Amino acid sequence: SAVISQKPSRDICQRGTSLTIQCQVDSQVTMMFWYRQQPGQSLTLIATANQGSEATYESGFVIDKFPISRPNLTFSTLTVSNMSPEDSSIYLCSVGGPGNTIYFGEGSWLTVV
Amino acid sequence: KQEVTQIPAALSVPEGENLVLNCSFTDSAIYNLQWFRQDPGKGLTSLLLIQSSQREQTSGRLNASLDKSSGRSTLYIAASQPGDSATYLCAVRQGRGHQGAQKLVFGQGTRLTINP
Repeated sequence: SAVISQKPSRDICQRGTSLTIQCQVDSQVTMMFWYRQQPGQSLTLIATANQGSEATYESGFVIDKFPISRPNLTFSTLTVSNMSPEDSSIYLCSVGGPGNTIYFGEGSWLTVV
Repeated sequence: KQEVTQIPAALSVPEGENLVLNCSFTDSAIYNLQWFRQDPGKGLTSLLLIQSSQREQTSGRLNASLDKSSGRSTLYIAASQPGDSATYLCAVRQGRGHQGAQKLVFGQGTRLTINP
């Protein structure tokens, strides 16, 4: 299985600020995925991050709000920009592993006040 | 557009019971289906993965089945324990290869409580 580390695990952020979440994987992977889980909701894909190319965003998510970096095959960042209380969510990084299984990090819990 | 539904939304049973969680999906052209567990304040833990060509997978007290033609999967938990209390999520993957096909579409989850 893949081991995925996310930082920060939790944070309380002020409205209007931006926060960058880091995702580190213990093996090289082609694609990394960023999901959001709003309170009481299921997971929704934000974007797919490929190394060496721009991220591909799902409908309803834009690069200006959620810029993503993918500098190498083991690391990615997601920035939540100009935060509002509606951005209070768990943000999860995931990768594909052996046997086509998808693995998730522990998530980053953001509360915007 | 793929939609995934899980029933029931919440379930509370006494310890020791066998139980079944249900997952249905609208587009049967899936690549695989994965069941996850999410504990409060935690990320997702993969439980079982069923490829589209498979009918079931087993791991310990867990058994997941897949009927792709009818768009259904079930997660069977035998001899439930209080430690099984968590939210169970099913997710389908549409395809392989290009990145858009690798994304997972999740159900809303079933919140399971096992009472001692």
